[in-house]
Amino acid sequence: SQTIHQWPATLVQPVGSPLSLECTVEGTSNPNLYWYRQAAGRGLQLLFYSVGIGQISSEVPQNLSASRPQDRQFILSSKKLLLSDSGFYLCAWTTLAGGSQGEQFFGPGTRLTVL
Amino acid sequence: KNQVEQSPQSLIILEGKNCTLQCNYTVSPFSNLRWYKQDTGRGPVSLTIMTFSENTKSNGRYTATLDADTKQSSLHITASQLSDSASYICVVTTTRDMEYGNKLVFGAGTILRVKS
Repeated sequence: SQTIHQWPATLVQPVGSPLSLECTVEGTSNPNLYWYRQAAGRGLQLLFYSVGIGQISSEVPQNLSASRPQDRQFILSSKKLLLSDSGFYLCAWTTLAGGSQGEQFFGPGTRLTVL
Repeated sequence: KNQVEQSPQSLIILEGKNCTLQCNYTVSPFSNLRWYKQDTGRGPVSLTIMTFSENTKSNGRYTATLDADTKQSSLHITASQLSDSASYICVVTTTRDMEYGNKLVFGAGTILRVKS
C-alpha cells in the first residue's frame, strides 16, 4: 500500500531563517506530487506541483521554492522565512491524470510557525 | 473564477444529532466533487466522491448529495459521534491538462464540533 511521510511534524523558526520541509512517498512510482499551504480558516492553497524528477511548476509567486531530487521525494525550501509563511504545509500525491478519478492523498502535514 | 464556498463556517451539535453542511461551487469544467474530513493537525482524508451524473453517495453515516444544475452539494452526518469533530472540506476537481492532471479547488471548510 502507498504511504506518504512528511517531516518535521512541527517547526518553529525565526524570521529570516532558512526552511526545508521534506515529503516522501512509498509504494508507488512516478507520482504527481503537490505542496499546499493551509492558513487558519482558509482553504488549501496550491504552492507547487511536480510531474517528474526535476520538474517543478509554481502556482503562486513567493519566497518559497520546491525541488524533486528523486522520484518519490519532494522538498519545500526557503532561503529567508517571512512571518506570512506560517501555516500548515501539506504534501500530496496522485497518479497521473485519470487515476483514482483524480484523488489526491495527503500527508500528515507540517505545522510551521515563524516568529 | 473557480471558487468553492462552504457554509456554515463552524457548527456545534450534540452527540447523536444530525447535521448538514453546504457547499456551493462555481467551477468549470467540472470533473468531480469530493468531501474530505480533516482532523486537527492532520492531512485531509477523502469521504465521498461524486461525478456529474451522481446525485447521492453514502459512506457509513455520511451521505453526500450533488445538484449539478444549481452547483450545490451537501454532506449529511447522521447520529453524530464525538469522533466526527473535524473540519469538512468540499473539493471540486476541474480537468486542466493531461500533464498536470486534475486541478483541485478547495473550499475553506466547515469546522464541526460534536459535544457530549
